Amino acid sequence: DTGVSQNPRHKITKRGQNVTFRCDPISEHNRLYWYRQTLGQGPEFLTYFQNEAQLEKSRLLSDRFSAERPKGSFSTLEIQRTEQGDSAMYLCASSSSGQGISPLHFGNGTRLTVT
Amino acid sequence: AQTVTQSQPEMSVQEAETVTLSCTYDTSENNYYLFWYKQPPSRQMILVIRQEAYKQQNATENRFSVNFQKAAKSFSLKISDSQLGDTAMYFCAFMNARGGADGLTFGKGTHLIIQP
Repeated sequence: DTGVSQNPRHKITKRGQNVTFRCDPISEHNRLYWYRQTLGQGPEFLTYFQNEAQLEKSRLLSDRFSAERPKGSFSTLEIQRTEQGDSAMYLCASSSSGQGISPLHFGNGTRLTVT
Repeated sequence: AQTVTQSQPEMSVQEAETVTLSCTYDTSENNYYLFWYKQPPSRQMILVIRQEAYKQQNATENRFSVNFQKAAKSFSLKISDSQLGDTAMYFCAFMNARGGADGLTFGKGTHLIIQP
């Protein structure tokens, strides 16, 4: 178990540019989540995948945001035409859909700064 | 929709003291799970303790224990014999038991500082 891996750790981009983040979940986990966390706040849910299917999207996920999990393994989160308000930590988490509690395991996050 | 409230933005205690972090939540669900996560300055979120709502017995993990009051919708975390490494943001979180599609709903967090 190597844990949830996110790349890059930090990303600085200019307003209007597109950025893409990658998440590699724990290998046996079929559930994958993306969260956004701003300074001094708790993480806010963005979207959820079960295997390759995107089953839930938050209203926070505007049309500029898109997430994929093409083979049910790694996932990417793309933000198009970035805005300064997109600056945040983007967290990925994974879990399994077995019986009982399946806590989410989080990655280290990708910190996005839009200048 | 559920909400999670942590009313203590910051707390500070001396090393070896006991500290209690409060959390209340609101939900119409009957079956759900509650969690406390720790986020040290390195930023990775780490699970501290979990509680199933159908269990009356309070969960305990070494120095960490919870006081779960289902009727009051309260879920406090007690840290005994606090250590410098306990310094972190602590988040209370709720998950419904319907399949996890909603993921976790987090509170705003409590910044806990352990003073030497």
